[in-house]
Amino acid sequence: DTGVSQNPRHKITKRGQNVTFRCDPISEHNRLYWYRQTLGQGPEFLTYFQNEAQLEKSRLLSDRFSAERPKGSFSTLEIQRTEQGDSAMYLCASSLETAGRNEQFFGPGTRLTVL
Amino acid sequence: GDSVTQMEGPVTLSEEAFLTINCTYTATGYPSLFWYVQYPGEGLQLLLKATKADDKGSNKGFEATYRKETTSFHLEKGSVQVSDSAVYFCALSDGGTSYGKLTFGQGTILTVHP
Repeated sequence: DTGVSQNPRHKITKRGQNVTFRCDPISEHNRLYWYRQTLGQGPEFLTYFQNEAQLEKSRLLSDRFSAERPKGSFSTLEIQRTEQGDSAMYLCASSLETAGRNEQFFGPGTRLTVL
Repeated sequence: GDSVTQMEGPVTLSEEAFLTINCTYTATGYPSLFWYVQYPGEGLQLLLKATKADDKGSNKGFEATYRKETTSFHLEKGSVQVSDSAVYFCALSDGGTSYGKLTFGQGTILTVHP
C-alpha cells in the first residue's frame, strides 16, 4: 500500500499526559499537512511542511502542540499536557506540488480520546 | 478569512433519486474548489475539483460547476446508489500564499436507502 499511513489509529490517554502521532506520507511527496477534525465538523488546518521546513502554523496550534518533519520524510505531531478539548481525529495529508497542482491525499487519521 | 458553508444535513434519499448538496464559499483570491468524500471507516478521498470559474469537475457520476458569480460549487448526481452513502465535504484552497491548505465546510451526511 503506497498511501498515507498514520499511527496509532487510536489513542486513549489521561488528561495531562503527552502523546505523539506519526504520519508517513506518500514517498516523494514534498508537502505534508496536519488537520484536526472534531465530531460533526470538517477538518481544520493545523500546520504545513514543505520538505523539512515548517512553513505555516494555524492559530489553533497552541504552545502545547509541536510538529516535526526530520529529513523531509515522516512527520510527528506531539501534544503535551493533553486536555479534554484535544479529543479529536488528527489527519495527515501529503501532496506533490507540480505545475500548480496540489491534490492532497489523506491518511486514515489518529483518533485521540483524552479522559 | 476564507470560509466554506454547506447545506444543513443529514440528507436521506431513496436509490436512484437526484442529489444536490449546496456549497458556497468566501475567499479573497481565486481559489480552487474541491469535493471530498469520507466513506464509513475510511479516510478522506478527493471526489472532484475545479480550478477556475465555469470549470466543471466530474467523477463517478457526480458533478459540480465552479460559479464565481454566485460563489458556489454545488454537488449533483442524477441517480444515487446505496454505495454513495458517506459524508461529503466541500473545500477550497487559496493557492496564493497559503501553500494549498484546505478550508473545509462542516460536511453533509448522505444516506441512501434501497
